[in-house]
Amino acid sequence: EPEVTQTPSHQVTQMGQEVILRCVPISNHLYFYWYRQILGQKVEFLVSFYNNEISEKSEIFDDQFSVERPDGSNFTLKIRSTKLEDSAMYFCASSALAKNIQYFGAGTRLSVL
Amino acid sequence: TQLLEQSPQFLSIQEGENLTVYCNSSSVFSSLQWYRQEPGEGPVLLVTVVTGGEVKKLKRLTFQFGDARKDSSLHITAAQPGDTGLYLCAGAWGNQGGKLIFGQGTELSVKP
Repeated sequence: EPEVTQTPSHQVTQMGQEVILRCVPISNHLYFYWYRQILGQKVEFLVSFYNNEISEKSEIFDDQFSVERPDGSNFTLKIRSTKLEDSAMYFCASSALAKNIQYFGAGTRLSVL
Repeated sequence: TQLLEQSPQFLSIQEGENLTVYCNSSSVFSSLQWYRQEPGEGPVLLVTVVTGGEVKKLKRLTFQFGDARKDSSLHITAAQPGDTGLYLCAGAWGNQGGKLIFGQGTELSVKP
């Protein structure tokens, strides 16, 4: 069964460093998403992406965040200057259409020290 | 701000008991999805409901979408220890580009 894959599974970084989280969405999907889940809290929407541009972003998704689809398969989330409060699980998801089912990857655990 | 209230947050029951988890909002959903999440993993889709009044069954799990599409429930019959986990509801609204708003989750523990 097709699945969304995310790498790495765990990323440890120093505060102020840049990180790139990688995702390979399901191959025929057109809509891509990033969510995050701080330990013990809700899963929160960060950004949606379609046709090589951001469709919608939340208040969390400020100037330190960016997304890119550098080739036909990868979808990346970059955090330019990480802060302690960026420590969380980051989930990538994809869907065939905007209102269709979203399939989630297993997540990347980001630990900012 | 769109909110999804999920209850209860924690539920500990004995094997064989029945339970219901609720998901409520003041807004009308275009669709609602139920996920199950294991520790350290991503949410795994159980079911999606779209039509008001819709009922879907997945073995011992019954999902219902309210007539007004503002609420949903998950009912588990004869719970088993393998049902233990975090259950999440997530709603999508109207014209927004597919973003999902999640409830805070229900942590279910089924003791043998």
